[in-house]
Amino acid sequence: GQNIDQPTEMTATEGAIVQINCTYQTSGFNGLFWYQQHAGEAPTFLSYNVLDGLEEKGRFSSFLSRSKGYSYLLLKELQMKDSASYLCAVSDSNYQLIWGAGTKLIIKP
Amino acid sequence: SQTIHQWPATLVQPVGSPLSLECTVEGTSNPNLYWYRQAAGRGLQLLFYSVGIGQISSEVPQNLSASRPQDRQFILSSKKLLLSDSGFYLCAWKVQRDLETGELFFGEGSRLTVL
Repeated sequence: GQNIDQPTEMTATEGAIVQINCTYQTSGFNGLFWYQQHAGEAPTFLSYNVLDGLEEKGRFSSFLSRSKGYSYLLLKELQMKDSASYLCAVSDSNYQLIWGAGTKLIIKP
Repeated sequence: SQTIHQWPATLVQPVGSPLSLECTVEGTSNPNLYWYRQAAGRGLQLLFYSVGIGQISSEVPQNLSASRPQDRQFILSSKKLLLSDSGFYLCAWKVQRDLETGELFFGEGSRLTVL
């Protein structure tokens, strides 16, 4: 079966750095997405990785290792507005997205 | 610019009543359209997707149905709601491309509570 695993909840301090991990087992791989979802709102796109390595976009970076079935989202200089759920999703061999349950990130002052 | 809008945002329905959620996309043509459901503590579940007018693919057999009467309109329906239909429903679209996956753009979401 297809499976996406990520921690249920994480807590970090304002101004700090946090890394959210995602491991996956899917039938085929056509890229991995990270989305941010504030409570009660729709997910919004953060990043897309299809090749191994690190993609940096401002305070957010995303890393992929296809051989390990592993990705992480790195958030730097955390702000209170970063409190949200972070969803990992993998595009499988049919280009359908398989979603993780999301990681709820709590930022404390 | 492209926009997506879905409604209603919130609804409370009795068991056995019908359902209609609507979604429209503006500023693009021939998009792929999707209906997802999000339950607490679980990943997004794909319910239906459509690559064109009248073309609907169902991912999960249940008492829900979808229709695409126009290029940029996607409707989620049920004739008789079940308690288990409660959840957060999300409409989404993406650009059709042969090889690239493209990112999904989501509507605001519809919170359905079945009592």
